[in-house]
Amino acid sequence: QKEVEQNSGPLSVPEGAIASLNCTYSDRGSQSFFWYRQYSGKSPELIMSIYSNGDKEDGRFTAQLNKASQYVSLLIRDSQPSDSATYLCAADTGGFKTIFGAGTRLFVKA
Amino acid sequence: DAMVIQNPRYQVTQFGKPVTLSCSQTLNHNVMYWYQQKSSQAPKLLFHYYDKDFNNEADTPDNFQSRRPNTSFCFLDIRSPGLGDAAMYLCATSHPGEQFFGPGTRLTVL
Repeated sequence: QKEVEQNSGPLSVPEGAIASLNCTYSDRGSQSFFWYRQYSGKSPELIMSIYSNGDKEDGRFTAQLNKASQYVSLLIRDSQPSDSATYLCAADTGGFKTIFGAGTRLFVKA
Repeated sequence: DAMVIQNPRYQVTQFGKPVTLSCSQTLNHNVMYWYQQKSSQAPKLLFHYYDKDFNNEADTPDNFQSRRPNTSFCFLDIRSPGLGDAAMYLCATSHPGEQFFGPGTRLTVL
């Protein structure tokens, strides 16, 4: 069964620190990977997508992909209290479908 | 602004009373999805459409049906809701590729 695994957390970091979120995926055929942010009671919001091995930076966010290790990570620099949310990792499994992880809860302490 | 809209945002129904949730999009995306998400869990794919082609997940209960009358609209029908169907229902669209979610409908079953 195709799966995306994430540590449920909570991950607690002080304001201004770097938050590091990780996930692994089981389907070696996955080519596209996504990070979504979900605030409590709200729907997921796409924050990053990554398709190639290496790093992709967008503002305070950096996504990292290692297909050989089947590992995806998200770094949030200069973490803010407003970054406190659940972060969902997702992998494209083909057939227009995406598998989501259960998410890592992040708390940024002011 | 291009967006995904879900109505209603909150739905309360009685055990066994049919309910219909709606989703519309102005993104003109080919693919539309319905997910069920329970607290602290990953979004679970129920159905997806590529244009008019309907794809039902193997573990989606028969109690759940869907219709997509045109590119812009998609409906989720729950024929006889049980207590276990209480959840957030998320509609998403894609081009395909990255998925964009509506705000969700929170379903309560009494």
